[in-house]
Amino acid sequence: LAKTTQPISMDSYEGQEVNITCSHNNIATNDYITWYQQFPSQGPRFIIQGYKTKVTNEVASLFIPADRKSSTLSLPRVSLSDTAVYYCLVGNNDMRFGAGTRLTVKP
Amino acid sequence: DAEITQSPRHKITETGRQVTLACHQTWNHNNMFWYRQDLGHGLRLLHYSYGVQDTNKGEVSDGYSVSRSNTEDLPLTLESAASSQTSVYFCASSESGGASYNEQFFGPGTRLTVL
Repeated sequence: LAKTTQPISMDSYEGQEVNITCSHNNIATNDYITWYQQFPSQGPRFIIQGYKTKVTNEVASLFIPADRKSSTLSLPRVSLSDTAVYYCLVGNNDMRFGAGTRLTVKP
Repeated sequence: DAEITQSPRHKITETGRQVTLACHQTWNHNNMFWYRQDLGHGLRLLHYSYGVQDTNKGEVSDGYSVSRSNTEDLPLTLESAASSQTSVYFCASSESGGASYNEQFFGPGTRLTVL
């Protein structure tokens, strides 16, 4: 299983772009990179998934360099409601959740 | 709308009792999962199933069991509850195969307290 490393916490302000980087040096050829968001007292919610280059949806963008040893989740113009824990997972049919990154958005 | 539900949402039990937590999904997903989450930590996989009659142990399975008799349900049983099993339990489901496996849909969670 590819191990992931991401910052424990990050602070931001409303309206800013937030980038959360995840390191996964031993990612395997068939591994996908998946990000989840979790609010207090709720189950995690799928945000975005990618294999290489860039993926964008209505919520976020995911940037993956050519070597795939890291990935960056980009949240455009965050609001207070984006305060949550964000998990980076790497794998294929064998995901493991780490401790995640606690993002706090301030007014 | 399709959904995934868990019951009960809160449960208090005593050490040594058998407890069963229910998970029901209406997406017709083949894959179902059980996780526990302790305060301030990520989720740890307990058991998972790829289809009816299929069950597999996750990274933390001791003291827990599951059975899959139909597509919609994956009940989690604590054979003899221990205080160390006080936690929040999440059930999830996903479609089969590759990238679809990684898009898991989570239930609202069950908060279990073992006294």
